[in-house]
Amino acid sequence: KQEVTQIPAALSVPEGENLVLNCSFTDSAIYNLQWFRQDPGKGLTSLLLIQSSQREQTSGRLNASLDKSSGRSTLYIAASQPGDSATYLCAVTSTSGTYKYIFGTGTRLKVLA
Amino acid sequence: EPEVTQTPSHQVTQMGQEVILRCVPISNHLYFYWYRQILGQKVEFLVSFYNNEISEKSEIFDDQFSVERPDGSNFTLKIRSTKLEDSAMYFCASSEDRGHEKLFFGSGTQLSVL
Repeated sequence: KQEVTQIPAALSVPEGENLVLNCSFTDSAIYNLQWFRQDPGKGLTSLLLIQSSQREQTSGRLNASLDKSSGRSTLYIAASQPGDSATYLCAVTSTSGTYKYIFGTGTRLKVLA
Repeated sequence: EPEVTQTPSHQVTQMGQEVILRCVPISNHLYFYWYRQILGQKVEFLVSFYNNEISEKSEIFDDQFSVERPDGSNFTLKIRSTKLEDSAMYFCASSEDRGHEKLFFGSGTQLSVL
């Protein structure tokens, strides 16, 4: 059974820092991995989608990498801003024909001005 | 940018009552989902829906739950007899392709069962 874990659970950094959020999954037979952002009381916004054949994806100040064999993904946020404060979730789908995403526990990020 | 719309944003109901949560997915999307998030816990998959039928459901999605696409735009989740443990944020999502592509989520319905 696929389990997704994210470390750290919470992170507080001063504005301008570069930071790394970690995601690990127990079953390396994944099809896709997505990173989402969740603001309090709001829905989830997809930030980056990495397909299993890809190693990384970039969007603006965000870069996500995927290492399937070790069951890990990282989300790198460059030059963090207070507006980046949110909970970041990673989620994976498996290759077994399932349509569901399995979500991680999330990292709650606070960027201090 | 197109978005998934959910109504109501908050729903309070008494235990044992039926509730219907409504969603309007993005118009050209073919796959529809319900997820839920109990306060402080992970986002959990409930059900996926394609071509007017359920493609997959989780063990949470028991006989008390049903989904329907009554017309070309709405997608609903019905809970027949709510329990206290059904209290959660319910998210609708849609995707353009075979279920492994980018997911677009609505802003959720906060369901409180008293």
